[in-house]
Amino acid sequence: DAMVIQNPRYQVTQFGKPVTLSCSQTLNHNVMYWYQQKSSQAPKLLFHYYDKDFNNEADTPDNFQSRRPNTSFCFLDIRSPGLGDAAMYLCATSRSKADTDTQYFGPGTRLTVL
Amino acid sequence: RKEVEQDPGPFNVPEGATVAFNCTYSNSASQSFFWYRQDCRKEPKLLMSVYSSGNEDGRFTAQLNRASQYISLLIRDSKLSDSATYLCVVSPTGFQKLVFGTGTRLLVSP
Repeated sequence: DAMVIQNPRYQVTQFGKPVTLSCSQTLNHNVMYWYQQKSSQAPKLLFHYYDKDFNNEADTPDNFQSRRPNTSFCFLDIRSPGLGDAAMYLCATSRSKADTDTQYFGPGTRLTVL
Repeated sequence: RKEVEQDPGPFNVPEGATVAFNCTYSNSASQSFFWYRQDCRKEPKLLMSVYSSGNEDGRFTAQLNRASQYISLLIRDSKLSDSATYLCVVSPTGFQKLVFGTGTRLLVSP
């Protein structure tokens, strides 16, 4: 049974056209994360929510925003996608922020920017 | 200097071989350490946590050397299904802010 679900799996958008990626979880975890992974690179944390508390990484561009309307759902909004934003976007969850709790990743959304 | 550095490989080994990967990290105050596995075009999945005393899970053994700031993963009796990218992951703060290495690619051939 899928625990972290991402929709769509593949998203194509045009340069500058806003796009929203979706993540949902059935684990009832408190923490949700968004990572960006470019080809042959490491996943890079963009931001995370601890419950409703939003935590942005210092080097995350302003072009990236997130919303968490409830425990189960979290959205990644890219306001004006550039060619450099083409990547795999991974959502993850963990029960708490303690390192003893495993992060569970969704299958990712592969974003193409034309 | 990258926070977490790994040899990208690929490591090409025959079935049954033993293979070892190393990883170095720059932040001496790092709290927690992990190995994740990522199959091609799939999400990362936790393989094992790494403890100071070393730990073993079946054919996989992980070691941590805090003095030298490196982490190792040993895979014995390699299987075809072990072919994947192995990501070294460090938590500098101890609170789930994971920093990933770029991964080491393993190819196991018949």
